[in-house]
Amino acid sequence: EIVLTQSPGTLSLSPGERATLSCRASQSVSNTYLAWYQQKPGQAPRLLIYGASSRATGIPDRFSGSGSGTDFTLTISRLEPEDFAVYYCQQYDNSPPFGQGTKLEIK
Amino acid sequence: EVQLVESGGGLVQPGGSLRLSCAASGFTFSSYWMNWVRQAPGKGLEWVANIKQDGSEIYYVDSVKGRFTISRDNAKNSLYLQMNSLRAEDTAVYYCARHYSSSRVSPFYYWGHGTLVTVSS
Repeated sequence: EIVLTQSPGTLSLSPGERATLSCRASQSVSNTYLAWYQQKPGQAPRLLIYGASSRATGIPDRFSGSGSGTDFTLTISRLEPEDFAVYYCQQYDNSPPFGQGTKLEIK
Repeated sequence: EVQLVESGGGLVQPGGSLRLSCAASGFTFSSYWMNWVRQAPGKGLEWVANIKQDGSEIYYVDSVKGRFTISRDNAKNSLYLQMNSLRAEDTAVYYCARHYSSSRVSPFYYWGHGTLVTVSS
């Protein structure tokens, strides 16, 4: 079973800054079956990125994903106030585990 | 508009049982794999189980095998999770989630609002 480890656990940044979130897999993720989700308090998760780098419908282009194999990155180019939330990566091949999450908080 | 509405959560004693339901609308329910995902208070997301369109394939996370049963009724556009022998560590918000496409190998695009299960004496 693949284990996903996200870093950092918490990231403190200011609006307008660039955010870089990491997701590392314990073994190679097949065909880049890697997704990123955003979750705000009291809400269900929202799909941001799938296939490691494809944006889901309606997701702003300041969100981008990259990576392959075991190392993946979510980048938010210029943080907006609404981007402060918890972010999860997920490999969705076979039993689809999630990473433990990165909390993006306002500095 | 796709909608997933969970129900059936509540307070239950350790060792007890509960059945969650997820009512689906706005899409052809019988065409999609469906999932249950849970989130303990203040914790991360944990995938629990999924079921194929016709119910012929089912998978569970190890921690619920033998205690939880996922099922579906395509005629009623409904997904279920029968939870037996409940433990304190099963306390969580339980989400129903639909895959992006009809393939199991696709991310979760639609989510319900969740239903809270609390296991406590």
